[in-house]
Amino acid sequence: NAGVTQTPKFRVLKTGQSMTLLCAQDMNHEYMYWYRQDPGMGLRLIHYSVGEGTTAKGEVPDGYNVSRLKKQNFLLGLESAAPSQTSVYFCASSVRLAGTDTQYFGPGTRLTVL
Amino acid sequence: GQQVMQIPQYQHVQEGEDFTTYCNSSTTLSNIQWYKQRPGGHPVFLIQLVKSGEVKKQKRLTFQFGEAKKNSSLHITATQTTDVGTYFCAGKGGATNKLIFGTGTLLAVQP
Repeated sequence: NAGVTQTPKFRVLKTGQSMTLLCAQDMNHEYMYWYRQDPGMGLRLIHYSVGEGTTAKGEVPDGYNVSRLKKQNFLLGLESAAPSQTSVYFCASSVRLAGTDTQYFGPGTRLTVL
Repeated sequence: GQQVMQIPQYQHVQEGEDFTTYCNSSTTLSNIQWYKQRPGGHPVFLIQLVKSGEVKKQKRLTFQFGEAKKNSSLHITATQTTDVGTYFCAGKGGATNKLIFGTGTLLAVQP
């Protein structure tokens, strides 16, 4: 099992460009999450999904959109990237809702917006 | 909103010394999880505590959940270079149904 995978690993964007980050898990988990990690601020939840076809806002959802068309995939989109979105993005999945079960994290995507 | 703070932000120890990081929540937590993130890596689940006053051990690591379920601690006895990384607590509670991560404590261990 690959666990949780993320593509791409690194990306540099110019302000205003768009991109999609892909997260895939092969553990048949119901719940999936997108976090961003910034120095000194820990991990902050952007959006999450409790099942195929559903999404919900997290702590810092502005400027991002998500989709969960298939149970194993969770996409994070940036429609018009801004320098404030420079960060490391982690995807995670869990069997049950976060806080009641282990979260498994992907390796992360380092995004720089110039 | 709910906040989870950790202290210290950074700790540098000599190999063999003990280390403790503290986690404090502004609201009562239903449970708390601890994760470790190696430099350049991703967070990896260590443990979950649920009961008030609960203490769990994993080899040299001891985890405690406060009686009021608003704080927690992680203590490492006789640190090793393999303990290097950032330790995060994450708590669920208050009005939100989401897991809130603490700010993390970066541990550096000098051989």
